Amino acid sequence: ETGVTQSPTHLIKTRGQQVTLRCSSQSGHNTVSWYQQALGQGPQFIFQYYREEENGRGNFPPRFSGLQFPNYSSELNVNALELDDSALYLCASSLEGASGGLAKNIQYFGAGTRLSVL
Amino acid sequence: ILNVEQSPQSLHVQEGDSTNFTCSFPSSNFYALHWYRWETAKSPEALFVMTLNGDEKKKGRISATLNTKEGYSYLYIKGSQPEDSATYLCAFLGGANNLFFGTGTRLTVIP
Repeated sequence: ETGVTQSPTHLIKTRGQQVTLRCSSQSGHNTVSWYQQALGQGPQFIFQYYREEENGRGNFPPRFSGLQFPNYSSELNVNALELDDSALYLCASSLEGASGGLAKNIQYFGAGTRLSVL
Repeated sequence: ILNVEQSPQSLHVQEGDSTNFTCSFPSSNFYALHWYRWETAKSPEALFVMTLNGDEKKKGRISATLNTKEGYSYLYIKGSQPEDSATYLCAFLGGANNLFFGTGTRLTVIP
């Protein structure tokens, strides 16, 4: 096990609602990245948080937002849910250097939250 | 959006067979190439992070090679076992804080 935990494991929402997904990083890690995996696709990068600041963002609209807390745990918030938001959401933690640059280092993934939007 | 392709999409091999699959990625702005193994209902597990052209890495029966000039990496599994059954994902880091994943190769090892 990676030591990264995500909650909840499954979630059902209706279109237009808002959702918050949570991620607890592995101990000692200062960076969290969030990914969306739609059916039949590879994980797609949503954004990364390094020391409580957003430090990179993929091609996702502003209704996808996040937070990182002083203990380096993180939340992903999605407003105005759409049917296409149905996916597995993965978070990954890592220990990055002073530049906050991603991922020459191993990413430790959680098992994901499966979101269904009806 | 960068194109990271993995082939084959899926394969079945007999226990004891060796196998390999491919990850293709852009040959410019290369920073790193990651390989992950993802078993059903579990977390993706990192296998390798490769950064140098010509790199070869090994972990037990699994090894990987990297060619950044032509933009490909091979993952090899020697003497496949049923517990190797999983989806194998590669991910390309091209300079931004953004890992681009392929869609994976789903391996099934038949006892």
